[in-house]
Amino acid sequence: AQTVTQSQPEMSVQEAETVTLSCTYDTSESDYYLFWYKQPPSRQMILVIRQEAYKQQNATENRFSVNFQKAAKSFSLKISDSQLGDAAMYFCAYRSAGSNQFYFGTGTSLTVIP
Amino acid sequence: DSGVTQTPKHLITATGQRVTLRCSPRSGDLSVYWYQQSLDQGLQFLIQYYNGEERAKGNILERFSAQQFPDLHSELNLSSLELGDSALYFCASSPTGLSGNTIYFGEGSWLTVV
Repeated sequence: AQTVTQSQPEMSVQEAETVTLSCTYDTSESDYYLFWYKQPPSRQMILVIRQEAYKQQNATENRFSVNFQKAAKSFSLKISDSQLGDAAMYFCAYRSAGSNQFYFGTGTSLTVIP
Repeated sequence: DSGVTQTPKHLITATGQRVTLRCSPRSGDLSVYWYQQSLDQGLQFLIQYYNGEERAKGNILERFSAQQFPDLHSELNLSSLELGDSALYFCASSPTGLSGNTIYFGEGSWLTVV
C-alpha cells in the first residue's frame, strides 16, 4: 500500500511570514493525485490544494502553493503571508489514478504567532 | 459547505449501546468513505462503498458495520460501544470515475461514549 509521511508533527510561523510543510509519499505508480487538506479547530476537513502528477507545473491557490518533486516523491505546501486563520492541522493525501483509495499522512499542526 | 451531510452532529451514549451514523454524499457521488479520528489523532480509514458495494476495508472493528443504500446514502453502525470508540467520525464522498476526483468531507459526527 502507498504511504504518506509528514515528518513535522508541529510547525509555527509568525503572522505575515512564509512557512513550508513537508510531505513525502511512497508509490510505484506514475499517475496519481496529491492533496493538502486543512483541519481548523472546528475539525472540518477542508481541501486546500490539489496536484495532478502528470502536470509539471506546481499548483497554486492564492497564498497556498506546492512544490511537487515527482522524482523525489515530495509534495510540500507553502503558505505565504500567513494569517491567524491558517492555524490548523494540515494533512497531505495521495490517490492513485487507478483507484478510489485515498491515503492520508498523520498531519502537521501549524501555529500562527501574532 | 462540501455538500456531504452527516447526522447527527453530536451524540452521547453509554457503553454497550449501539448507534447509527448517517451520511448523504454529494449529489451524483457514488463513492462513500468512513473515517475515524480520535482526539489528537490522524484519520483512520474504516471502509469505502461504491454504488452500494463494499470497495475497500480498513481498520474497521468487527463491532462496526456499514452499508450504502440504493439512494447512495450510507450508514455506519457502531455496536457494543466502548469508551475508546469516542471519536469524530467523518463521512466523505467522491465522484464517479477515476480521473483525479477529490474527496469531500462532511462536518463529522462527534460520538462520546460515557
